[in-house]
Order: sequence, then C-alpha cells, then structure tokens
Amino acid sequence: EVQLVESGGGLVQPGGSLRLSCAASGFTFSSHWTRWVRQAPGKGLEWVATIKQDGGEKKYYVDSVKGRFTISRDNAENSVYLQMNSLRAEDTAVYYCARDKGLDVWGQGTTVTVSS
Amino acid sequence: DIVMTQTPLSLSVTPGQPASISCKSSQSLLHSDGKTYLYWYLQKPGQSPHLLIYEVSNRFSGVPDRFSGSGSGTDFTLKISRVEAEDVGVFYCMQAKQVPLTFGGGTKVEIK
Repeated sequence: EVQLVESGGGLVQPGGSLRLSCAASGFTFSSHWTRWVRQAPGKGLEWVATIKQDGGEKKYYVDSVKGRFTISRDNAENSVYLQMNSLRAEDTAVYYCARDKGLDVWGQGTTVTVSS
Repeated sequence: DIVMTQTPLSLSVTPGQPASISCKSSQSLLHSDGKTYLYWYLQKPGQSPHLLIYEVSNRFSGVPDRFSGSGSGTDFTLKISRVEAEDVGVFYCMQAKQVPLTFGGGTKVEIK
C-alpha cells in the first residue's frame, strides 16, 4: 500500500523548534518529489515546502517560512523532514506531507501547536 | 504569486442533483511544457485531502466518473454530475505551474 506517515508534531513555545518526519512506503520514494502542506485550524490549505528527488539544491519554500524552515530527505530511510525553527503562533497547523507535483498521495497529518 | 479564487464559498445540494464549482487563477496556468497544472482535491470531514482531478480534466485513480474537470487558461470548473452523500466536504483547486503553489479558498459542499 502506498503510504505517507507524518510524525514529530507537538506543543512548542514561540521561538522554539520542532522536526517533522514523513515516512514513505509502498513506492519508490527516491523517484518522487515531496511537499509539505499545512492547514491552520479552521482554515484552508497552504503549501509550505518542496524537495526534489535527490534532495539537492532544488528546495522551495513559501515566503513566510524562508530562513526558518528547512526541508531535507534521506532516500535510504525513505523519509522527508521539515526542520522548523523560530516558530511563531501563526505556524500552528496540521502539517501534511504529500507526493509529487499533483499531491497524489497525502499523509494523515501531524499537529503543531505554537503557544506559551 | 498566482491567486486562486473559488466560487461559491458553499453549496447545498440535493442528492442526485448536479453541482459545479468554479476556480479562477490570476494568470494563465498553461506551462511552457504545454501542460496546464490545475488540480482539484476533496477534504472530507476529519480526513486528509485527496486528489480528484489532475491537469484540469484527468480523473485520478479510483475517482468516480461523476466527477469531471474542465477549463483552460485562467478559468476552470469542477462538476459533479449527481451528488452523493459521500461527497460532503471541502473542495479545493490548486495550481502547480509555479512556486509558490497556491490553493483556492475552498468550497464547502453539504447535502440538503
């Protein structure tokens, strides 16, 4: 079964850090782009970051997280990560990882709450 | 950034009746590679979103044929030929022509 499973969410204080993980299974992970998309409580979807298959220089971020978030991947571990630093209240959301340009496979999401 | 505008914000539909959702982009979604990167997703209550339509009009694997997508350039439409109770949720369009990827605000569909 093709699957993405996120983990690493939790409650963190403003200014803190979290590292999200996305574990893939059921397909050739190294052949696919991976993206992070978030959804604030009661709000719509917002793309956060993208990483290409080889995890090289081609990484993209929404402006609001540039310089604070870093996307990376380990193809040997079939995993993608989102290192989130300097967290703000407005980063509170469910974070989903999704596959490829068309987001054809989504994980179940992991909840990040930034609050004092 | 490309702005995606969906209408209506919400829709109440009698089962078996058709429904239509519009999505307009602030600039053409036709890429230089000849493809138009417009996608439709449904997020059912309490679930992750899932892909319905890719590149304007292609139904994703397992998506019922009552769902269809059409359009070109900046104007796109998702149609449900006969709404069923399981179609409740929020529908989103998304463009992937360029970074940042952007989503429409969503259309909430409920059953009368």
